[in-house]
Amino acid sequence: EAGVTQFPSHSVIEKGQTVTLRCDPISGHDNLYWYRRVMGKEIKFLLHFVKESKQDESGMPNNRFLAERTGGTYSTLKVQPAELEDSGVYFCASSRLAGGRYEQYFGPGTRLTVT
Amino acid sequence: QKEVEQNSGPLSVPEGAIASLNCTYSDRGSQSFFWYRQYSGKSPELIMFIYSNGDKEDGRFTAQLNKASQYVSLLIRDSQPSDSATYLCAVSHAYSGAGSYQLTFGKGTKLSVIP
Repeated sequence: EAGVTQFPSHSVIEKGQTVTLRCDPISGHDNLYWYRRVMGKEIKFLLHFVKESKQDESGMPNNRFLAERTGGTYSTLKVQPAELEDSGVYFCASSRLAGGRYEQYFGPGTRLTVT
Repeated sequence: QKEVEQNSGPLSVPEGAIASLNCTYSDRGSQSFFWYRQYSGKSPELIMFIYSNGDKEDGRFTAQLNKASQYVSLLIRDSQPSDSATYLCAVSHAYSGAGSYQLTFGKGTKLSVIP
C-alpha cells in the first residue's frame, strides 16, 4: 500500500508570507497527526484528527497555524503569517482507528524555511 | 511535563555486535511504546512497537519494556553498517483507552556500526 505522502518537500518563504502544507494519509487510516521538528530539538506533536474532527490540538503553537481535514481524507496545515521560528521539518503521520493497532506511520516531511 | 530521555550518543559498535539502545519516560500513564529509525534527512521509520511488559522480538530487533521502572530498550543483534542511523523512542497513551494518542519523542540516539 502507498505510504503517507506530503507536499511540498521543501518550501522557502519570507517572514510574513503564507504557506500551506498538504498531507495524504495511508488509505483507510482515519487518524492523522501533524508533528514538527525544529533544529536541535525533538519531534513535537501539533495536532490529531480523527476523520474530519480535531481530536487533540494541544500542540498547536499559536493561532497562526490552521489545520483542516475536510472530508476526512487529506489534511492541510496553513501557517499565516509565517515567522522565523516556524522553520523546521513538518511531519504528517497516520494510523488506523480501530483493531487495537496504534502504530503511526510517518510521511517524508516538508522542510519549511522562513527567511 | 511528559519527557522521554535517551542517550544522544553517538553509540559505536563493531559490525556483528549487539547494539543496546535505552529510553526512560516520565509519564506513568504511557501505555504504548515505539522505536523509530531515522536516517539523515529522512522521515522516521517505525521498526518496533510494544504494548506489554516483557520482550518482543522481530528478526534482529528485540524491544524490552519495564513499566515499573519506566524503561524501554531496543536491542539490535548482528549489527550491520546499514543499521547506522538515529533511533527515536516514542511513547503514547494509546491502548489505555484514555488520553491522547499523540507521540512524545526523545531526542534520539545516534548509532554508528563500524565495519
